[in-house]
Amino acid sequence: AQKVTQAQTEISVVEKEDVTLDCVYETRDTTYYLFWYKQPPSGELVFLIRRNSFDEQNEISGRYSWNFQKSTSSFNFTITASQVVDSAVYFCALTPLNYGGSQGNLIFGKGTKLSVKP
Amino acid sequence: GAVVSQHPSRVICKSGTSVKIECRSLDFQATTMFWYRQFPKQSLMLMATSNEGSKATYEQGVEKDKFLINHASLTLSTLTVTSAHPEDSSFYICSARDLRGSSVEAFFGQGTRLTVV
Repeated sequence: AQKVTQAQTEISVVEKEDVTLDCVYETRDTTYYLFWYKQPPSGELVFLIRRNSFDEQNEISGRYSWNFQKSTSSFNFTITASQVVDSAVYFCALTPLNYGGSQGNLIFGKGTKLSVKP
Repeated sequence: GAVVSQHPSRVICKSGTSVKIECRSLDFQATTMFWYRQFPKQSLMLMATSNEGSKATYEQGVEKDKFLINHASLTLSTLTVTSAHPEDSSFYICSARDLRGSSVEAFFGQGTRLTVV
C-alpha cells in the first residue's frame, strides 16, 4: 500500500518565524518520487519540488529547504523567515517510478494549512 | 514547465443539469490524464485515470455513469458531471502526464470549482 501522512493539520506562526511541515510516506516500491505542492486560496496547485528516491541530498531554494531521509521515510519541508504570502495549504505527494497502482497518479497527503500572521 | 489549461475555473449549475469540464495540455502530449476531486479542507482524491483512446479507469466508489470521462486526443480530456446534485459540489482538478518516456512530471490544471444549487 502507498500512503502519505501529514500529521499537522494546521500550523499558525508569526511572520519571520521558521516553520517545518512534516511528511511521512509509505511505499513498497524501491523507486519513487516525492513532491511538495502549495495550494493558495485560489485552488491552483503550485509545484515546489520533486525528489527521487535515490537522491537523499537535501535541497535549499531561497527560504525553502527540504530534508529527505529514506531511513525514516520522511520528506520534511522548512520555510525560513516565513512571510504572510506563505499562507496556504501545502501538500506532500508520492508517485512510484514504475507506475504501479493507478498508472502513475500522485498520492497526496491530507495537507497542512499554514497561516502566517503579520 | 508545461501548461495544462482547465476550464471553466468556476461554474454554478442547477441541480439535475450536466456540466462539462475541459482539461487541455497546451504544449505537450498527455498520454494519461488524472481527475481528482477535493472537498473543502480535504485532500485531493483520485477519481479516475484516462489514457488517450481508451476507457477511463475509475477508483472504487466513483460512479462512472455519473462522471463521464473522455480522452479522445493527446491534448484534451473532458469530465462531464451528469445530473449534478448539491453533493457533487467540489473542486475538480486534472493532471496530465506523458508516460511514454522517462518523464515523471505531473502538470496540473487550475482547477474547477463546481457549485450545484
